[in-house]
Amino acid sequence: SQQGEEDPQALSIQEGENATMNCSYKTSINNLQWYRQNSGRGLVHLILIRSNEREKHSGRLRVTLDTSKKSSSLLITASRAADTASYFCATDADAGGTSYGKLTFGQGTILTVHP
Amino acid sequence: DADVTQTPRNRITKTGKRIMLECSQTKGHDRMYWYRQDPGLGLRLIYYSFDVKDINKGEISDGYSVSRQAQAKFSLSLESAIPNQTALYFCATSENYNEQFFGPGTRLTVL
Repeated sequence: SQQGEEDPQALSIQEGENATMNCSYKTSINNLQWYRQNSGRGLVHLILIRSNEREKHSGRLRVTLDTSKKSSSLLITASRAADTASYFCATDADAGGTSYGKLTFGQGTILTVHP
Repeated sequence: DADVTQTPRNRITKTGKRIMLECSQTKGHDRMYWYRQDPGLGLRLIYYSFDVKDINKGEISDGYSVSRQAQAKFSLSLESAIPNQTALYFCATSENYNEQFFGPGTRLTVL
């Protein structure tokens, strides 16, 4: 079963706009990660946020984590056509204060950025 | 050269055939993973290995087997391929509990 559920399933925006993707999960986590996949290619890691962190930034990316609601969001600011891809959240479940070291992926959000 | 390589990149086979997908990495990571991705779905974990002597089943291991020949090599086998194993297969590596690094994928079609 998929731990992460992502919303929306698809998002279409214009270049320069912000894109927000949400991820909900079911069990306690050690960390949550976001990955990007260009069509049919391997996934590329974007950012990792640990369960004791609430917000993290990396360039144009901003990730938030709300463990009380078991949810996370990924914000891409000032989007570019090159940001067109699928974005996946992945959770590393909590194993009593440590990690199981394996990820459970959501179904992904397909982002299309129009020039 | 890519840090995580997969061979073959594409494979078409017939029902009942034995297939091996290979993964090699130059990152020096102990942890390696095999996933499958079906259209419109996220990745599902098939098997994972935290070191050469450690093999663990993932979410969907039925119909698959693996071999960890060395720290750098992790192979996935389909003993008797069936059409619903048609999918995109990814190998990944990681160090400790951090990010995973993915290979380019193998597109497998079982007729």
